[in-house]
Amino acid sequence: KNQVEQSPQSLIILEGKNCTLQCNYTVSPFSNLRWYKQDTGRGPVSLTIMTFSENTKSNGRYTATLDADTKQSSLHITASQLSDSASYICVVSAGAAGNKLTFGGGTRVLVKP
Amino acid sequence: NAGVTQTPKFRVLKTGQSMTLLCAQDMNHEYMYWYRQDPGMGLRLIHYSVGEGTTAKGEVPDGYNVSRLKKQNFLLGLESAAPSQTSVYFCASRSGTASSYNEQFFGPGTRLTVL
Repeated sequence: KNQVEQSPQSLIILEGKNCTLQCNYTVSPFSNLRWYKQDTGRGPVSLTIMTFSENTKSNGRYTATLDADTKQSSLHITASQLSDSASYICVVSAGAAGNKLTFGGGTRVLVKP
Repeated sequence: NAGVTQTPKFRVLKTGQSMTLLCAQDMNHEYMYWYRQDPGMGLRLIHYSVGEGTTAKGEVPDGYNVSRLKKQNFLLGLESAAPSQTSVYFCASRSGTASSYNEQFFGPGTRLTVL
């Protein structure tokens, strides 16, 4: 069964600090991995997307890494801001067309001033 | 360009009542999806559509029906609501182009409570 596990479930960080979120997956056949940001009361918004051949991708202060051999990904947030308070969801896509998505449960990040 | 919109934003139903959630997208996307999001769990696919007039079951289809009469709209129906259907419902759409970089664009969600 395809699964995506995220850790930690939640974390609190001080404004300006860095943090790293983890994602482990067992999805086959792998197509791509996405990180989404979901603000409270809103739908998820894509941050990064990586295919099998990509091992890092950045979007501003967000940097995602992918190790396809160990089936792990991380999302690093640099110099956190209050607006980074949100849930971050790891989503792995399977199949040739990448249509089958498996969602992780998310990591809830709270940035405090 | 509004992207993906959902109506209503909130709804409270009594057990046994019926309702329809509307999703609309203005990006000319072929694929549309309905998900539910429950606390502590990842989004789960209810039904999806790969084009106008087509629908297919997802992971948790029981108790729901869908219709895609127009390309831009995807309706989710609950014929007889149950408390287990209390959830936040998200609609999403994506292009039909065969690309690994295709992403799903999500609507703002509908919060449904069934008493």
